[in-house]
Amino acid sequence: NAGVTQTPKFRILKIGQSMTLQCAQDMNHNYMYWYRQDPGMGLKLIYYSVGAGITDKGEVPNGYNVSRSTTEDFPLRLELAAPSQTSVYFCASSYRGREDTQYFGPGTRLTVL
Amino acid sequence: KQEVTQIPAALSVPEGENLVLNCSFTDSAIYNLQWFRQDPGKGLTSLLLIQSSQREQTSGRLNASLDKSSGRSTLYIAASQPGDSATYLCAVIPQGGSEKLVFGKGTKLTVNP
Repeated sequence: NAGVTQTPKFRILKIGQSMTLQCAQDMNHNYMYWYRQDPGMGLKLIYYSVGAGITDKGEVPNGYNVSRSTTEDFPLRLELAAPSQTSVYFCASSYRGREDTQYFGPGTRLTVL
Repeated sequence: KQEVTQIPAALSVPEGENLVLNCSFTDSAIYNLQWFRQDPGKGLTSLLLIQSSQREQTSGRLNASLDKSSGRSTLYIAASQPGDSATYLCAVIPQGGSEKLVFGKGTKLTVNP
């Protein structure tokens, strides 16, 4: 099993550009999550999904969009990138949500200039 | 609003020492508490998950305790090794159907050979 994979590892965007961060898991997990981690801060939940076709907002959803068309994939879309979105983005998954631990991907480091 | 605090922010110990990392949370109504490890430039790895009805969990040299009434958890690491050097993050899931993990900012542990 590859676990949770994320692409790209690094990306630099200009203000106003858009991009999609990719996340995939091969563990047949129902629940998937997107977090951002700013320097010296704890992780904050952006969006999560409890299954294909179902998504919900987390703590900091503004400026982001998600979709979940398959169990395996959970892409995060940034529209009109802003410097405040400079962060490290982590995708995670779990089988039974709050009942289980979450498995994290290696992260995408995004810089918006 | 649930807040999670981890003190100290950084800790340096000699190899072989037993140590305790602290985590406190402001609202005792939690579903579970989790401890994670994060290596530099990497994603998070789950160490231990304690359900709200449990008092402790053990895995190898790690032991995590939970005292909901006082809003505290500790992570005990026995016979520390240089390979234990990492940032340790504590996170709680609040009661009430939430899927959101609320993270502390972490304790950066350095174990010196």
